[in-house]
Amino acid sequence: AQSVAQPEDQVNVAEGNPLTVKCTYSVSGNPYLFWYVQYPNRGLQFLLKYITGDNLVKGSYGFEAEFNKSQTSFHLKKPSALVSDSALYFCAVRDRMDSSYKLIFGSGTRLLVRP
Amino acid sequence: DGGITQSPKYLFRKEGQNVTLSCEQNLNHDAMYWYRQDPGQGLRLIYYSQIVNDFQKGDIAEGYSVSREKKESFPLTVTSAQKNPTAFYLCASSLRTDQYNEQFFGPGTRLTVL
Repeated sequence: AQSVAQPEDQVNVAEGNPLTVKCTYSVSGNPYLFWYVQYPNRGLQFLLKYITGDNLVKGSYGFEAEFNKSQTSFHLKKPSALVSDSALYFCAVRDRMDSSYKLIFGSGTRLLVRP
Repeated sequence: DGGITQSPKYLFRKEGQNVTLSCEQNLNHDAMYWYRQDPGQGLRLIYYSQIVNDFQKGDIAEGYSVSREKKESFPLTVTSAQKNPTAFYLCASSLRTDQYNEQFFGPGTRLTVL
């Protein structure tokens, strides 16, 4: 069965410091991986995705994520956090072999960036 | 929030009433999805449709119903059989031919049962 784990309910970081939001996954085949961000009372916005190729994926707003197949991880990173990055972040996975095209979402990690 | 609209933004329902949440997209996407979001539980899939006049149950379909009569529209009805309907509901869509299934989300509807 496919699953996604975001082990931290909340991540706190000071503005200007690097941030990492963790994500691990489990699929039977090879994964497609996604990060989305959600601001209060809004829908989800796409940040980035890993399909194939370079393990380091660059996305919107200066975010990047590193795919690590051996550790089955896809951690979200940013070199210098902004207060405006404070939001709820979701990792999602789709198994390439799954014909239903469903995305499986993690439980979300709240990022709080202090001024 | 792209070309997906959801209405209303806030909805209040009395116990025992059915309510219908609207979802419309102008992205020419084939596939549409309904998710329920509760605090600390992430997104759970209620129903999805990959083509007009066809839809499948997701992980938590009990107490919900959908229709897909038009490509642009995928309304969700929350019936009185849904025991705990208070939640934030998100609609999404994607290209069926997009093997990666990048999904685009609407702004959501917050349903509260009084």
